[in-house]
Amino acid sequence: DSGVTQTPKHLITATGQRVTLRCSPRSGDLSVYWYQQSLDQGLQFLIQYYNGEERAKGNILERFSAQQFPDLHSELNLSSLELGDSALYFCASSVAGTGGDTQYFGPGTRLTVL
Amino acid sequence: AQSVTQLGSHVSVSEGALVLLRCNYSSSVPPYLFWYVQYPNQGLQLLLKYTSAATLVKGINGFEAEFKKSETSFHLTKPSAHMSDAAEYFCAVSAPPASGGSYIPTFGRGTSLIVHP
Repeated sequence: DSGVTQTPKHLITATGQRVTLRCSPRSGDLSVYWYQQSLDQGLQFLIQYYNGEERAKGNILERFSAQQFPDLHSELNLSSLELGDSALYFCASSVAGTGGDTQYFGPGTRLTVL
Repeated sequence: AQSVTQLGSHVSVSEGALVLLRCNYSSSVPPYLFWYVQYPNQGLQLLLKYTSAATLVKGINGFEAEFKKSETSFHLTKPSAHMSDAAEYFCAVSAPPASGGSYIPTFGRGTSLIVHP
């Protein structure tokens, strides 16, 4: 158990809908990362937050947005969902959010868009 | 832009044999390098990382990796494979873009390690 929690574990929805994925980092970690894992694209970095502020942005679509709240939990919002958005979404956390930090991954949320 | 190439999407070894998983990277600045392992239906777990200290890095479960700057490689090895090592292994590089800014993590496509009895 990494100490990172993600909810829900599974999510099934329809095209055009909007969903919110939630992540709670390990106790003491200030940085949160979001990733998308699919067979087509592999593991893709989406976005990173540190202590409530966006720190780095990867291949995140404009239909996707995220935020980190004062209690350090984070939410990833996916809107206007398409079939291709079906994937595993991982959250990871680290202590300081620096390049050499170890990231601790949650168990993931499996999103299925029908 | 940085990139990671893992040679071989599948590697098959016998129990007790040497494990060698290959990773080559490209980066315009000295990067941090990582190996993660993913067991079925789980998140990734760090095996080891290189952060510009010793070039031979030892990790958990008997794995180690050597950073070779001249070859831009960070191959993962284990002297003797166990059945429990069967999993997906990811090499990752963390570096800022050439234009500067925050470190961006980039993962390879993964190598599935199959261990035969």
